[in-house]
Amino acid sequence: QKEVEQDPGPLSVPEGAIVSLNCTYSNSAFQYFMWYRQYSRKGPELLMYTYSSGNKEDGRFTAQVDKSSKYISLFIRDSQPSDSATYLCAMSPITGGGNKLTFGTGTQLKVEL
Amino acid sequence: GAVVSQHPSRVICKSGTSVKIECRSLDFQATTMFWYRQFPKQSLMLMATSNEGSKATYEQGVEKDKFLINHASLTLSTLTVTSAHPEDSSFYICSGRGLGEKLFFGSGTQLSVL
Repeated sequence: QKEVEQDPGPLSVPEGAIVSLNCTYSNSAFQYFMWYRQYSRKGPELLMYTYSSGNKEDGRFTAQVDKSSKYISLFIRDSQPSDSATYLCAMSPITGGGNKLTFGTGTQLKVEL
Repeated sequence: GAVVSQHPSRVICKSGTSVKIECRSLDFQATTMFWYRQFPKQSLMLMATSNEGSKATYEQGVEKDKFLINHASLTLSTLTVTSAHPEDSSFYICSGRGLGEKLFFGSGTQLSVL
C-alpha cells in the first residue's frame, strides 16, 4: 500500500463547476499538507499549505484536512479552463530538518468550456 | 512566493556525455535542495537531498556516482548526469526548502539522451 493514495483521473468538468480533489494517507506522522498545481512540462507550483485539521481558504481554493480519517481535499470553486493541470497532494512529518515530501501521483484535471 | 530558477529547460545530448542542470534560489536562501525525477504521468520521485556545504544524501536505488550533486552555496545547487544513457531521459526538477516545510520548485529540465 502506498503511503499516499490519489486518484490519477483524468477528471473532466464544465467551466464554473466545483471541483473536489482528494488524497488519503496511511502514515499518521504526516502533519504538514500541501497542494501543488503542475502544468505540463513545468515545475509544481504551491497552491495551499496547512498543518492543522479543518479548512483553509484562499480565493477560489479551499484545502480541507481530516487527520482522524487521514483524508485531505482541495476544492476549486468557479473552475476555469486555466485550472486545467495536474494537482499533486504532498505531505511531510512534523519533525524538522530537511523533511522529505511524499507526493501523491497527481490528479489530471480538465476544465472544459 | 519564492522563486527557484532552473536551467536549462530542455537538453538533448548524445549517449555517454555528461549534462549539468543548475538551480538557483533567487529570493531566499535554500539550506536544503531536493532533486526529483518525473516520468510521464507519474509523480515526483525524490532522487537526493543536498544540504549546503555537505554531501548529498541519495535515495535507495539512485547511483551517486552517476548523479553528482553539488550544493556549494545557499543559492546554488547543481545536478550532473554523468555518462548519460537513453534510460536517463526524464524530467528533472529541483526544489529549495524555504520557511517551514514549504518547498519551491524550479521549472524543470527535460533531458533527452539519444
